[in-house]
Formats: sequence, structure tokens, C-alpha cells
Amino acid sequence: QKEVEQDPGPLSVPEGAIVSLNCTYSNSAFQYFMWYRQYSRKGPELLMYTYSSGNKEDGRFTAQVDKSSKYISLFIRDSQPSDSATYLCALELGGYNKLIFGAGTRLAVHP
Amino acid sequence: GAVVSQHPSRVICKSGTSVKIECRSLDFQATTMFWYRQFPKQSLMLMATSNEGSKATYEQGVEKDKFLINHASLTLSTLTVTSAHPEDSSFYICSARESGIVETQYFGPGTRLLVL
Repeated sequence: QKEVEQDPGPLSVPEGAIVSLNCTYSNSAFQYFMWYRQYSRKGPELLMYTYSSGNKEDGRFTAQVDKSSKYISLFIRDSQPSDSATYLCALELGGYNKLIFGAGTRLAVHP
Repeated sequence: GAVVSQHPSRVICKSGTSVKIECRSLDFQATTMFWYRQFPKQSLMLMATSNEGSKATYEQGVEKDKFLINHASLTLSTLTVTSAHPEDSSFYICSARESGIVETQYFGPGTRLLVL
């Protein structure tokens, strides 16, 4: 079993839709939870990070962590074609200086 | 957000030559930098963790004599692919962690290496 599971997609949605991206993990020791966006042939860009259960909102993006279920989500409201990218969840044990990445979900938002 | 640069962005070399890739944190000091490798449509694979002034820590299966890492200052780390072969062709990405801020890593734009 992988430490972090993420559906690779692809996920195709119409412009304006609400997008839900998810990861599950197996190690309850993970302390920090991040979402990165990666455009084709570019480096990942940090979108959100959190370290506690609950929701964190930033503009159209909401990151949700449920430590009891070992489940994290990223919601994108009013999705735009420019949101088309691969979204990677990344988790860190804390103090280990190492991120464990999900496989990444490819998202396509069509006009 | 913090900015990390990489140079070169693309490189093509002949088999058997060595290639050096630079990673710089432009507006912050990074005690720790990371080197990743990414194949098409796959996630990032951590190759090594580089701490300023000390030897890099390599992940299992990564040849340290093949992938030389130097982290000589708080803003610069280099990855040298020695005696490159076609199977080394990949997208290499570095990231940097800002000193004193442990939760986040900022990634460079990546370097695409093609070995002929």
C-alpha cells in the first residue's frame, strides 16, 4: 500500500464547476499537508498548506484535512480554464524534511 | 511567495558527458534543498536532500557517485549528472526550504535534460 493515494484522473469539468480533489494516506504521523499545482513542463507551485484538521480557505481554493479519516481535499470554486494543471498533494511527517507526494490528478477545465 | 530559480532550463548533451544544474533561492536563505526527478505523467521522485555545508543524503536506489550534489551556500545547490546516459534523460526539479520555516518547500521551474 502506498503511503499516499491520489487518483491520477484525468478529471474534466466545465468552466465554473466546483472541483474536488482528494488524497488518502495511511500514516497517522503525517503532520503537514500541502497542495501543489503543476503546469506542464513547469515546477510545482505551492497553493495551500495546513497542519490541522479543518478547512483553510484562500480565494477560490479551500483545503480540507480530516486527520481521523486520513483524508485531505482541495476544492476549487468557479473553476477556470487556467486551472487546468496537475494537482499534487504532499504530506510531511514533520521534522523529517521530506515530502511524500501523491501521484497527482490531471485536471482539465473546458470553456 | 519565495522564488527558486534553476539553470539551465533545458540541456541536451552527448552520452558520457557531465551536466551541472544550478538551483538558487533568490529572496530567502535555504538551509535545506531537495532534488527531485520526474518522468512524464508521473509524480516527483525525491533523489536527495542537501543541507548547506554538509554531505547530501541520498534516497535508496539513487547513486551518489552518479548524481553529485553540492550545497556550498545558503542560496545555491548544484546537481551534477556525471557520465550521463540516455536513461538519465528526465525532468529535474529542485526545491528549497526557507530557514526557520519548516512546513513548506518552494520549487524551481525544473531542468529538462536530454541525453543523446
